[in-house]
Amino acid sequence: GESVGLHLPTLSVQEGDNSIINCAYSNSASDYFIWYKQESGKGPQFIIDIRSNMDKRQGQRVTVLLNKTVKHLSLQIAATQPGDSAVYFCAETLNTDKLIFGTGTRLQVFP
Amino acid sequence: DARVTQTPRHKVTEMGQEVTMRCQPILGHNTVFWYRQTMMQGLELLAYFRNRAPLDDSGMPKDRFSAEMPDATLATLKIQPSEPRDSAVYFCASGLGQGLPYFGPGTRLTVT
Repeated sequence: GESVGLHLPTLSVQEGDNSIINCAYSNSASDYFIWYKQESGKGPQFIIDIRSNMDKRQGQRVTVLLNKTVKHLSLQIAATQPGDSAVYFCAETLNTDKLIFGTGTRLQVFP
Repeated sequence: DARVTQTPRHKVTEMGQEVTMRCQPILGHNTVFWYRQTMMQGLELLAYFRNRAPLDDSGMPKDRFSAEMPDATLATLKIQPSEPRDSAVYFCASGLGQGLPYFGPGTRLTVT
């Protein structure tokens, strides 16, 4: 599959543990944020999103936290599974169609 | 299961050749994006369209790249002439209005 990046930060977790992936975004005025998951050989897939008027949003096994004071976004994955292994990107946008992507974090899940 | 389709999935070509990548957006989506992914630059927005009209192509090298939407079901990205530095994975994504973009599987381009 396509190689996303050789120099990505990597998070290694044991199966069953919780994972926390962090992202620093660039524009303090951004009002919409998205987390994408990219598996080898595939395009980015939507995981969860959050608007700037919220600081937390939960999905199935995933939670996104937004701290606008320090321009920080995090993705929490509960009970991490081997199928969660992928590269995770945060993306931000300000009332436009232009999604600006972060550099990505590689999540490795080991048994 | 609606999804964005892209062809070809892989393309190897020699420097100087013309390359055309095609994308079929999800039926009913009126916004189409072209992104490029490289190891060094990550995911970059090249251009996007709404209702077939180009809204922004500031991320695209104008001298060799061109993007069009001949109709609502087809978007094309053309490189002429191609160069080795164009080697990357090119993603098409589609969305409804300013809604969430859904990505296709990508075209992996290698220019030798």
